[in-house]
Amino acid sequence: GESVGLHLPTLSVQEGDNSIINCAYSNSASDYFIWYKQESGKGPQFIIDIRSNMDKRQGQRVTVLLNKTVKHLSLQIAATQPGDSAVYFCAENQGGSQGNLIFGKGTKLSVKP
Amino acid sequence: DTEVTQTPKHLVMGMTNKKSLKCEQHMGHRAMYWYKQKAKKPPELMFVYSYEKLSINESVPSRFSPECPNSSLLNLHLHALQPEDSALYLCASSQGPGLNNEQFFGPGTRLTVL
Repeated sequence: GESVGLHLPTLSVQEGDNSIINCAYSNSASDYFIWYKQESGKGPQFIIDIRSNMDKRQGQRVTVLLNKTVKHLSLQIAATQPGDSAVYFCAENQGGSQGNLIFGKGTKLSVKP
Repeated sequence: DTEVTQTPKHLVMGMTNKKSLKCEQHMGHRAMYWYKQKAKKPPELMFVYSYEKLSINESVPSRFSPECPNSSLLNLHLHALQPEDSALYLCASSQGPGLNNEQFFGPGTRLTVL
């Protein structure tokens, strides 16, 4: 796998490797976080979410880690496949009753066969 | 039905035209959203409708006018747009407007203003 710095716009990995995509969020009051995958020409697709009372959540081939101390979120994709190539956005709900989602800048993941 | 649909898929309009974007969901969601997304940028929230009432307007110019005729439909009326308004317009819905509600996105309408 390849660890990337914050806000790196692109990440290239070999098929079968693990991918790690990082995100820094801005508001310590944010209590809900979502990772979205957006393929070219499509709308964002939900991957996984996590609430602020959790540190880790696992899905199928994906894991989200939340570090509230440093306001950092990461998405780990196991055994990355060509179909995982897309732009990945983290989004934070900054609290309140309206459900505002604030999106991060996004990371473009390219998977090399 | 677990999807959000948007029409049209593509739209080209002149600066004097009036057009509308449409969004529909049949998941029983009570919150619906409009986002604007420029190329290589994240989606930016424009409007939030909660129980068919406009609850958030993120300082969007009045040339964009949202409408929620019923709990399943959301429209965005466009008038006197500028070329810089060209973007992908995304509609989303969630169960409710509150906390921890996953938003489901439609495929978007690609708008070009000439």
